Amino acid sequence: DGGITQSPKYLFRKEGQNVTLSCEQNLNHDAMYWYRQDPGQGLRLIYYSQIVNDFQKGDIAEGYSVSREKKESFPLTVTSAQKNPTAFYLCASSIYPGSAFYEQYFGPGTRLTVT
Amino acid sequence: AQTVTQSQPEMSVQEAETVTLSCTYDTSESDYYLFWYKQPPSRQMILVIRQEAYKQQNATENRFSVNFQKAAKSFSLKISDSQLGDAAMYFCAYRSGQGGSEKLVFGKGTKLTVNP
Repeated sequence: DGGITQSPKYLFRKEGQNVTLSCEQNLNHDAMYWYRQDPGQGLRLIYYSQIVNDFQKGDIAEGYSVSREKKESFPLTVTSAQKNPTAFYLCASSIYPGSAFYEQYFGPGTRLTVT
Repeated sequence: AQTVTQSQPEMSVQEAETVTLSCTYDTSESDYYLFWYKQPPSRQMILVIRQEAYKQQNATENRFSVNFQKAAKSFSLKISDSQLGDAAMYFCAYRSGQGGSEKLVFGKGTKLTVNP
C-alpha cells in the first residue's frame, strides 16, 4: 500500500537533547513537508522540500533542521535550540507543486514530548 | 500574507442533520486553491474537498459540499446527513496559485461533535 509513514508515534526526550523524527513515503512524490500542530492552533509549516537535496524554511523553522538525501525520506531534527518542542508533528507529501492542482497527503504524525 | 479564519471553535449537530462550518480568508491574489481537511481522533489528516478559485461552480463530494463566495472571500463546508464518523476537527486551508508557492495556510480548526 502506498502511503506516508512516521515513526515513532510517541517520542519522549529530555530537554537539551536533539531528536530526529522519521518520515518516509512510497508515493513517488517529489515534494515533502513538515508541519507542527499545537492545541487550539492550525498546522504551521516548518520546512518543505520540492526536490532531493533542496529544502526551504517555512514559517517556524527556528530550532529545526532537515535533510533530503533521498526522494522518499525527509527526516526532521528538533534541536535543543527549539524553545517549545513539545507538539504534534505531521509530515506530508505531494506531487511536484508546479503542477496546476495538487493535494498534500499526510502521515499519521508523531507526538513529541520534551521534559 | 494570506490568513485563514475559522470563527467557530466548536459546533455540534444531530445525527442525520445538516451542519455548515464557516471559513473566511484574506488574500490579494486572484488565483488560489481552497481545501477542507478532516482530522479525526486518530489525528490523521484527510482531505475532504477542494475548490479552485477560478471555478464558479461549488465543489461537491458525496455528502460534503462547499459554498464558495469569492467576492466575500468565504468558503464554508456543508455536511449533509451527518454521521457519527463525521465527528472530527475540520481545518480550512488556502494555497496560492502562484508558481513556486507551496505553502498551505491553515485556519485554527472547528471541532465538530455529532450527537446520536
